[in-house]
Amino acid sequence: DARVTQTPRHKVTEMGQEVTMRCQPILGHNTVFWYRQTMMQGLELLAYFRNRAPLDDSGMPKDRFSAEMPDATLATLKIQPSEPRDSAVYFCASGNDPRGRKGYTFGSGTRLTVV
Amino acid sequence: DQQVKQNSPSLSVQEGRISILNCDYTNSMFDYFLWYKKYPAEGPTFLISISSIKDKNEDGRFTVFLNKSAKHLSLHIVPSQPGDSAVYFCAASDSGNTPLVFGKGTRLSVIA
Repeated sequence: DARVTQTPRHKVTEMGQEVTMRCQPILGHNTVFWYRQTMMQGLELLAYFRNRAPLDDSGMPKDRFSAEMPDATLATLKIQPSEPRDSAVYFCASGNDPRGRKGYTFGSGTRLTVV
Repeated sequence: DQQVKQNSPSLSVQEGRISILNCDYTNSMFDYFLWYKKYPAEGPTFLISISSIKDKNEDGRFTVFLNKSAKHLSLHIVPSQPGDSAVYFCAASDSGNTPLVFGKGTRLSVIA
């Protein structure tokens, strides 16, 4: 069964440290998304790529967050420096239609805690 | 401003009864709607969808109703089962190449 793989599953870090989250999308999917789940905002879109090109990262705090796709099998989300308000679950998803008409496949998420 | 609103953070229902989860949207350009289900420590999984050209879509125990004039959709689960206990997210998309917009989710608890 094809799945989106995210690592690490859990991360606890101190404020000010760099955090890198990784995602392996489903082979053949050309669109990759980063969402963040918080109690206040629910699932909010941070950034997404199509054919590895960034299409929109307006949901991310630009000064500390960066998202890249070095190759078709790896997407990364980096926070530097991390802050306690970044504590959330970060989900990667992949699909072939940005509009989601066929749904996205989500990974299991990275639970980030910044202390 | 939230374009997709799920105003009930939680809902508790007895096993065997109907669960009704509600979702409102503000963007009149939305023309496709989906429901996702999320268990703890897992990612959301697709449950059911509906196009704006329909007002109802059914899949087994799950039915989604769309009222375009009210900009409202609902998910009905009949009969509810303990395994349905999860967080349900409503999501919407428009005809442009823009990603899904999600609501905040509703936590459903089905009590045996």
